[in-house]
Amino acid sequence: DAGVTQSPTHLIKTRGQHVTLRCSPISGHKSVSWYQQVLGQGPQFIFQYYEKEERGRGNFPDRFSARQFPNYSSELNVNALLLGDSALYLCASSLVWQTNTEAFFGQGTRLTVV
Amino acid sequence: AQSVAQPEDQVNVAEGNPLTVKCTYSVSGNPYLFWYVQYPNRGLQFLLKYITGDNLVKGSYGFEAEFNKSQTSFHLKKPSALVSDSALYFCAVRRYNAGNNRKLIWGLGTSLAVNP
Repeated sequence: DAGVTQSPTHLIKTRGQHVTLRCSPISGHKSVSWYQQVLGQGPQFIFQYYEKEERGRGNFPDRFSARQFPNYSSELNVNALLLGDSALYLCASSLVWQTNTEAFFGQGTRLTVV
Repeated sequence: AQSVAQPEDQVNVAEGNPLTVKCTYSVSGNPYLFWYVQYPNRGLQFLLKYITGDNLVKGSYGFEAEFNKSQTSFHLKKPSALVSDSALYFCAVRRYNAGNNRKLIWGLGTSLAVNP
């Protein structure tokens, strides 16, 4: 079975541009979360979606947005990119939305803003 | 506020020796605790979790962790380290009754180096 897949794996963008990152969860998983991991730090929560509805939002500016599609895949959009947005963006899926459920992570998208 | 502390940036251990990676947490109510491992340029891989029950939890690749409520700790252990265990280890917590905010709170990570 395929794990969580993210695309693209690497991306270079210029300041001010827009970027869309994509995530396909494990088959059957209905919850998708997005995290930002800056080098040398732990992941920071951005969004969580369950059954196509936003269920949680981290402390990120409105330039960050996301959505979940009927097939449970998800997109993370970032507008007006800043140098500080350079990071590894991780998508995680879980079967359900229960708090005791572990999340399974994709390999991430490495975004570099120049 | 919820928080996770991993007091050691780096842990060095010789191959074959036991290893411990420390984690302490702060959360209101009962915690759900998780350990993940991250290899270079890779995503996070789930190792184990504590939900309830036995304080000693066994996970993947021979790892185990001990939940200690009085010390609010959840240290990761392995009886005999392998060079291939060298990676970045993250501890994370989620509150039991988290309502609509079910995000994982992460520590800063501990880099484990196992020397041959």
